[in-house]
Amino acid sequence: LAKTTQPISMDSYEGQEVNITCSHNNIATNDYITWYQQFPSQGPRFIIQGYKTKVTNEVASLFIPADRKSSTLSLPRVSLSDTAVYYCLVGGLFRGGATNKLIFGTGTLLAVQP
Amino acid sequence: NAGVTQTPKFRVLKTGQSMTLLCAQDMNHEYMYWYRQDPGMGLRLIHYSVGEGTTAKGEVPDGYNVSRLKKQNFLLGLESAAPSQTSVYFCASIAPPNTGELFFGEGSRLTVL
Repeated sequence: LAKTTQPISMDSYEGQEVNITCSHNNIATNDYITWYQQFPSQGPRFIIQGYKTKVTNEVASLFIPADRKSSTLSLPRVSLSDTAVYYCLVGGLFRGGATNKLIFGTGTLLAVQP
Repeated sequence: NAGVTQTPKFRVLKTGQSMTLLCAQDMNHEYMYWYRQDPGMGLRLIHYSVGEGTTAKGEVPDGYNVSRLKKQNFLLGLESAAPSQTSVYFCASIAPPNTGELFFGEGSRLTVL
């Protein structure tokens, strides 16, 4: 199972770009990388997912180098409402696959200040 | 669609009592998961299921049992509750082969006195 390592916390100011990196050295060939956001007293919600190179959606970008042993979530121009815990999750959901056991890491608490 | 619904949302138990948490999803998802989250901590996988009638252990399965008799429901049971099981419990589901997202319920806050 691919274990993930993230910084425990990060601080930023409104309007800045924030990059959160996740290490997953033993990622498997079939594994995807997915990032989730969690606010207090709520379940995590999906932000973005990728397999390799770069993925962008309306809220974030995900950068994955060629060796796929790490990934970086990029949040452009953060606001106070982006204060949350961010988790990177590595796993592959295939029938009979080995990484259906989806284990979250400790997450990164992002604190955005005015 | 309701998505993933957890019942009950809040419960207080005394040590030694038993209870069952119900997770219901209306998205026809095959895979379902139970996590617990202690204050200020991350999510830890308790048990999961890859289909009706199948269950498997996660990271912290001791003290819990699960059942998946119907595809849409995943039950988490505590036979003899302990204070260490005070936590917020989250259920999630996903449909493989899928490169999309886990859908989470709103959580069930359990306190064991």
